[in-house]
Amino acid sequence: GDSVTQMEGPVTLSEEAFLTINCTYTATGYPSLFWYVQYPGEGLQLLLKATKADDKGSNKGFEATYRKETTSFHLEKGSVQVSDSAVYFCALVRNNDMRFGAGTRLTVKP
Amino acid sequence: KAGVTQTPRYLIKTRGQQVTLSCSPISGHRSVSWYQQTPGQGLQFLFEYFSETQRNKGNFPGRFSGRQFSNSRSEMNVSTLELGDSALYLCASSLEVLRATGELFFGEGSRLTVL
Repeated sequence: GDSVTQMEGPVTLSEEAFLTINCTYTATGYPSLFWYVQYPGEGLQLLLKATKADDKGSNKGFEATYRKETTSFHLEKGSVQVSDSAVYFCALVRNNDMRFGAGTRLTVKP
Repeated sequence: KAGVTQTPRYLIKTRGQQVTLSCSPISGHRSVSWYQQTPGQGLQFLFEYFSETQRNKGNFPGRFSGRQFSNSRSEMNVSTLELGDSALYLCASSLEVLRATGELFFGEGSRLTVL
């Protein structure tokens, strides 16, 4: 079945560092891809999405590009802030079925 | 507009008891999904309701059940609680059926502790 694999955390960075969180997927057909973020004590929030190959989703300085050839949707941010500390989930939707990755905890230190 | 509201936020039960959790979706959203979140298993899909009908179900035992009312509010029930049911239970609502767009709006969750 469809699945999502994320890089294991936790990831600890200093403020203003470059962030990459890897996400790869396994799916037949053409899923839509998502990144959700969960801040401490809160539910998940949609961060960005891409619905077809080569689409780039972006929001709040975060970006991810749907790469069909490598079945990847890596999350990047050029300069992280302390407020970006959270758990990030990669997810896919195909045929009305949604699958989440295990989540990657990011801690940004001042 | 108000977000997804889950009640209660925290609760403690003992093994063998049952629990009911409630979720009020965003106004106008007709789809409600439930997820169990644990450190070991991550986010696992429980079930989804749309227009009072269960549309999809995850791989959980029959002790986990749910329902949706005509106003789209949803409840989930866990009977004969086990220690392993301790988790954060998240509810998510969306406009479209079966998470077609993948754009889910999550509540803050109900944290269940089973002793």
